[in-house]
Amino acid sequence: EVQLLESGGGLVQPGGSLRLSCAASGFTSSSSVISWLRQAPGKGLEWVSTIDPIGDRTYYADSVQGRFSISRDNSKNTVYLQVNSLRIEDTAVYYCAKDRSNPYDAFDVWGQGTVVTVSS
Amino acid sequence: EIVLTQSPGTLSLSPGERATLSCRASQSLSSSNLAWYQQKAGQAPRLLIYGASSRATGIPDRFSGTGSGTDFTLIISRLEPEDFAVYYCQQYHNFRTFGQGTEVEIK
Repeated sequence: EVQLLESGGGLVQPGGSLRLSCAASGFTSSSSVISWLRQAPGKGLEWVSTIDPIGDRTYYADSVQGRFSISRDNSKNTVYLQVNSLRIEDTAVYYCAKDRSNPYDAFDVWGQGTVVTVSS
Repeated sequence: EIVLTQSPGTLSLSPGERATLSCRASQSLSSSNLAWYQQKAGQAPRLLIYGASSRATGIPDRFSGTGSGTDFTLIISRLEPEDFAVYYCQQYHNFRTFGQGTEVEIK
């Protein structure tokens, strides 16, 4: 079964950091574009960042540019999101998702999400 | 940034009725790079439609998508109890953006 599993969320103070992980199983993640998305409590979906299969190209939403960094280790079938300088407004469920096909497509597989809470 | 505007915000319908959801883009989406997702409370979104009109794997044929350019529609022909949820459109023509969502609630 094709699956994505996020981990690494938690409670962190403003200005703090976390590293989120997205582990893939049931498919070759090294051939897939993977993205991170988030959903603040009671709000809609927001795209955060995308990385291409090799890891050469990365993209970020303006709201996280310069604070978040996406990377991947294809030997571990895992994509990471390093989140730094966290703000209250970064509180959300963070999902990873894969594109249905390359180069860019709809998100056909989603993880269950990991919760990031930024609070003092 | 491409802005997607969904309407209505909330749709109150009964099981068996037809639901029509709208998504309008601030600029034309070439190749109809638009998707629809369903999200139930506490769950991750599920892909319903990609390429504006193609159903994703395992999606019942009561779900259909139409449209091109800037105007897109998701139709649920006969609402089943499990269809009451929030629906989002999303463009992948230029990076990725989502509409604000339409809640389909039981009347």
